[in-house]
Amino acid sequence: KQEVTQIPAALSVPEGENLVLNCSFTDSAIYNLQWFRQDPGKGLTSLLLIQSSQREQTSGRLNASLDKSSGRSTLYIAASQPGDSATYLCAVERYLFFGTGTRLTVIP
Amino acid sequence: SQTIHQWPATLVQPVGSPLSLECTVEGTSNPNLYWYRQAAGRGLQLLFYSVGIGQISSEVPQNLSASRPQDRQFILSSKKLLLSDSGFYLCAWRRVDSPLHFGNGTRLTVT
Repeated sequence: KQEVTQIPAALSVPEGENLVLNCSFTDSAIYNLQWFRQDPGKGLTSLLLIQSSQREQTSGRLNASLDKSSGRSTLYIAASQPGDSATYLCAVERYLFFGTGTRLTVIP
Repeated sequence: SQTIHQWPATLVQPVGSPLSLECTVEGTSNPNLYWYRQAAGRGLQLLFYSVGIGQISSEVPQNLSASRPQDRQFILSSKKLLLSDSGFYLCAWRRVDSPLHFGNGTRLTVT
């Protein structure tokens, strides 16, 4: 069964810093990988979807990469802002198994 | 545009009572539908998914069941709730190879 791990579990950074969140998965035979953010008590918001044929996706200050052979994905956030504070989760297909998330706090 | 509705937002139910959570999607047809549960301090657990009317796959054996009576309607049910059923329940939809979109969730507390 697919297992998805996210490290670190929590991260605090000062505003303006660039940061990297990590996601690793045990079964490299995945289809797609998706990154989400979740604000406290809320549902999940999709950030980026990397299809199996792609190696990265970019949206604004976010860049996600995928290396299926090593079972890893990273989410890079440039010039972090207090509004980026949330829990970030990755999910791998098939059947969208989720990691436990990284809780990010950006300190003004 | 597509939207997903999930209700109720919060629910408090006694142990042994039945449960029915409903999710509907608008603006698309034949979506894949999902029910997830997020327990306090834990990750999202996939409970059920459906690729079509009447087609339900279960990922985790438990006290819950799901049904899809219409193309864009997904229902999560239980005949008798347990304390361990407490959690945050999320419905989601997607088209194949497209992003997964979530509803706002239902916070269930079983007392």
